[in-house]
Order: sequence, then C-alpha cells, then structure tokens
Amino acid sequence: QVQLQQWGAGLLKPSETLSLTCAVYGGSFSDYYWSWIRQSPGKGLEWIGEINHDGSSNFNPSLKSRVTISIDTSKNQFSLRLTSLTAADTAMYFCARRGTQYRGGWFDPWGQGTLVTVSS
Amino acid sequence: DIQMTQSPSSLSASIGDRVTITCRASQSVSTYLNWYQQKPGKAPKLLIYAASSLQSGVPSRFSGSGSGTDFTLTITTLQPEDFGTYSCQQSFSPPWTFGQGTKVAI
Repeated sequence: QVQLQQWGAGLLKPSETLSLTCAVYGGSFSDYYWSWIRQSPGKGLEWIGEINHDGSSNFNPSLKSRVTISIDTSKNQFSLRLTSLTAADTAMYFCARRGTQYRGGWFDPWGQGTLVTVSS
Repeated sequence: DIQMTQSPSSLSASIGDRVTITCRASQSVSTYLNWYQQKPGKAPKLLIYAASSLQSGVPSRFSGSGSGTDFTLTITTLQPEDFGTYSCQQSFSPPWTFGQGTKVAI
C-alpha cells in the first residue's frame, strides 16, 4: 500500500516562495512520475508539474517559469518550489503518483493536501 | 492544451437515483480519460481509469464509458456516501488537464 505524506508552510506573503515536500512510503519509487497538483478555492484541479526518479521533469506551461520540482531518491521524497507568489496562488496543493502504463496513466494515490494561503 | 468541460456543474439527486455526468474534451483523447471523486477538504480518489476500467475497491455501481471527445460517468444506484465532487482528467497529452468538476448533492 503506497502512501504519500506531504508538508510545508501554509501561510506566505506575496512575492515569497512556496516550498512543499512529499514523502513516498511503500511501493516502487522508480517506475512512476511524481506530480504536484493544486486546487484554488471553488475551482477545478490544475496540474503543476512532475518529475521521475532520474530527474526528468515536465511542467504546465502556465506555471513553468516559476516552478522547480526536485527529487531525493535516497529519501523517497520530492519537492515543489513556486516563486513570486501572489494571491492567485492561494490553493490546496496535492502531491500524487502518476503511472505511465497507459499513455499518461492516472493519478493514484494522492497526498493529504496542504492548504497554502498567500496574504500580506 | 486540451480543455475538459463537464456538465452539469452541480446536481441534486435522491438515494437510489441513477446519476450521469458528462465530460467533453476539446479534441480527441481516445480512451485516455480518468474519473475522480473528491470529498470536501480531502484529496481526490481515483474511480475509473482508461475511460471504463473500475479502480480496485471502487463499488460496481460506478461505471464509465465513451471515447474520442465524449465521456460519461454513471452511478447506477446513488448511495449517501456518493456525495462529493466528480472530476474528469485527460491523460492523452501534457499538460494533463481536469474538468471543472461536478458537485453531487444528495
């Protein structure tokens, strides 16, 4: 049973940098992409980006200039940094595993979510 | 980007009802379409993958169909625990995109 547990700061000011980490417990770390997804209040889900075990990453073009995703295979952890925050970045942030066995696969499982609020 | 549009945005149904949610893609995604259920304040849960395959542990009252641009999620006999928001997601090409969600109220 694979479990994802995430953590990071929940209250940030405009222009600051968001930093979240997700730890993976159980299962293979090397056969998947590890993603970050967010959900603004009352809105749909937005894929931010992903990384695999050898560091290959993909990003949503809408956020690419502000996003860094890194991986620590020794700890089975991956992290998200999002710079130059504005109020529009206020959202629940989730980490998730994406398989590649059927083209783009699917997101399962997910972390518990971290509510990030950007406010002065 | 492939745009995903769900309808309706919300619905209210009674226990035992048959519920149908529609998802339309802005271009063909073949059968690379997944469905998720989300409860308030919780992470989404995978229900259906590859348009019609039921995820392990998901009750058989949930089913998915469709291909190309038009997809359907059906709940045959609505149960009290089925309230929540349902979202579709295409896995045909990145960036991976989701529908805006359909809120189901009991």
